[in-house]
Amino acid sequence: NAGVMQNPRHLVRRRGQEARLRCSPMKGHSHVYWYRQLPEEGLKFMVYLQKENIIDESGMPKERFSAEFPKEGPSILRIQQVVRGDSAAYFCASSLTQQDEAFFGQGTRLTVV
Amino acid sequence: ELKVEQNPLFLSMQEGKNYTIYCNYSTTSDRLYWYRQDPGKSLESLFVLLSNGAVKQEGRLMASLDTKARLSTLHITAAVHDLSATYFCAVGYNNNDMRFGAGTRLTVKP
Repeated sequence: NAGVMQNPRHLVRRRGQEARLRCSPMKGHSHVYWYRQLPEEGLKFMVYLQKENIIDESGMPKERFSAEFPKEGPSILRIQQVVRGDSAAYFCASSLTQQDEAFFGQGTRLTVV
Repeated sequence: ELKVEQNPLFLSMQEGKNYTIYCNYSTTSDRLYWYRQDPGKSLESLFVLLSNGAVKQEGRLMASLDTKARLSTLHITAAVHDLSATYFCAVGYNNNDMRFGAGTRLTVKP
């Protein structure tokens, strides 16, 4: 059973471009969470999704950021018109149910130049 | 809004010594997690604590949870260099959201 798969592992974007980060949860997991980690800091919750539904997006910036978890395919975190401050590691985690522990992917390190 | 505070944020230990990392949180929760992160890597789950008084041990690490005091501890016994990493506690919040502490960067010196 493969773990949580994130791609790409590293992503470089110029200011103003769009960044698309993908997360395939562990097999059978329908709960997906996205976190952002700035250098030398802890993880900040962004959004919690359950197949086709956004459950909690209280950590998402109001503009430029969006997330989805379609019925088929991976969860996508999309950042439009990236700025330097978006440079960070973005981690995805998945869990089987709300009560089970969440397992993390390897992260996508986004660099905006 | 749930706040999670870890201390210390930086910890430098000699090999063979014992120490405790503390994790305080501000509102009621029934789930607490400890993770380890090596530089540039993802998070590795260490412990899941689900009830008051829960104690779990794995090797030189032992975690406990006191839900009444809203406190969890991660105790390190006879530290070795391989334990050098950043340790995060995370508290369950609402629909299995987790709120993370800032992390404790542990360095174990020979």
